[in-house]
Amino acid sequence: NAGVTQTPKFQVLKTGQSMTLQCAQDMNHEYMSWYRQDPGMGLRLIHYSVGAGITDQGEVPNGYNVSRSTTEDFPLRLLSAAPSQTSVYFCASKNPTSGRGNTGELFFGEGSRLTVL
Amino acid sequence: AQSVSQHNHHVILSEAASLELGCNYSYGGTVNLFWYVQYPGQHLQLLLKYFSGDPLVKGIKGFEAEFIKSKFSFNLRKPSVQWSDTAEYFCAVNALGDMRFGAGTRLTVKP
Repeated sequence: NAGVTQTPKFQVLKTGQSMTLQCAQDMNHEYMSWYRQDPGMGLRLIHYSVGAGITDQGEVPNGYNVSRSTTEDFPLRLLSAAPSQTSVYFCASKNPTSGRGNTGELFFGEGSRLTVL
Repeated sequence: AQSVSQHNHHVILSEAASLELGCNYSYGGTVNLFWYVQYPGQHLQLLLKYFSGDPLVKGIKGFEAEFIKSKFSFNLRKPSVQWSDTAEYFCAVNALGDMRFGAGTRLTVKP
């Protein structure tokens, strides 16, 4: 299994440009999420989704949009990039913590390093 | 909202020293607790997790953690660290459906 796949791995944008970070998982996980990782701040939750057609905001949602049209995909959109969005972005997925065989463990992608000039 | 606090930002140890990294959380209900490790240049990997039962949980690579409900704590321990344990360690809590992480503790082990 590929697990959680993120693209691109690296991206440089100019202020005001838009882009989409792609995330796909092949584990049939219901829950998917996006985090940003910044030095000294750990991972902060941007948006998450508990299933297709359902999304919700995390700790730092401003400046980001998400959609969940399929179970497999959870793209993160930056409509007008700002230097404050320079960060490493991680997509993660998991099964819910309830139910048989669900561990609640988050599986992470390799990360996408975004620089906004 | 739930929050997670990690007390140490950077810990430096010599090989064979014992390790304890602190983690406290703020949510008062039922929680699932995790420790993740991030080696340089890599993504996060699960070290261990607590859902219920024995509050002392053992993970990979000789790590263990103890859940103390009365103290809202889930500290990570290892009796004898190795140079290869150099990494960043994150405590995480799942209480309200989403997963929240602490700021992380950078561990440097000197050979």
